Amino acid sequence: DTEVTQTPKHLVMGMTNKKSLKCEQHMGHRAMYWYKQKAKKPPELMFVYSYEKLSINESVPSRFSPECPNSSLLNLHLHALQPEDSALYLCASSQTPLAGRADTQYFGPGTRLTVL
Amino acid sequence: GNSVTQMEGPVTLSEEAFLTINCTYTATGYPSLFWYVQYPGEGLQLLLKATKADDKGSNKGFEATYRKETTSFHLEKGSVQVSDSAVYFCALIQGAQKLVFGQGTRLTINP
Repeated sequence: DTEVTQTPKHLVMGMTNKKSLKCEQHMGHRAMYWYKQKAKKPPELMFVYSYEKLSINESVPSRFSPECPNSSLLNLHLHALQPEDSALYLCASSQTPLAGRADTQYFGPGTRLTVL
Repeated sequence: GNSVTQMEGPVTLSEEAFLTINCTYTATGYPSLFWYVQYPGEGLQLLLKATKADDKGSNKGFEATYRKETTSFHLEKGSVQVSDSAVYFCALIQGAQKLVFGQGTRLTINP
């Protein structure tokens, strides 16, 4: 089973709202990722967690706050977003975050976020 | 740095036609190579992969061969169906967990 689940599927929020995106996997993967995808573009990496610790932050604005409460769960907390943050947010996971080794990343279905 | 170049889209074919989507890459050493597919309104699905030179990845009638000498990983299918209409992304990864994507190729299959 290579399933990554994401909730909600769609989210509409105002610029003053606080909301969270949730991602879950039960494949025993120890690396989890957040990507942002704008229309007609490839995904852009935002954050990487390895063994529940933040290992890569691609200079993402602080209005995006990731959290990895346990090895199966990854959250993305959103606060004071801008309309240009509207996009598809994808979560992914991979097996073994060892230095120098790259494993296959499996993606979830995404959350389509609209910021009004 | 590493990079992936895909053929420009969109690509429109008739059902049962032969499909090729070109993908070339720039990287030092031996990256792992992937094709992901994104159906309308959905996330990315892994279509196939190859982790070393001359490996052939295959799935659902699609194939791609890792060619080190030409730094290519072209996607092929012998007979496409309407249900293959989607965006296809070629990607590589090497060491640092950062997937490098091509720009994507939108494929439309007409009945």
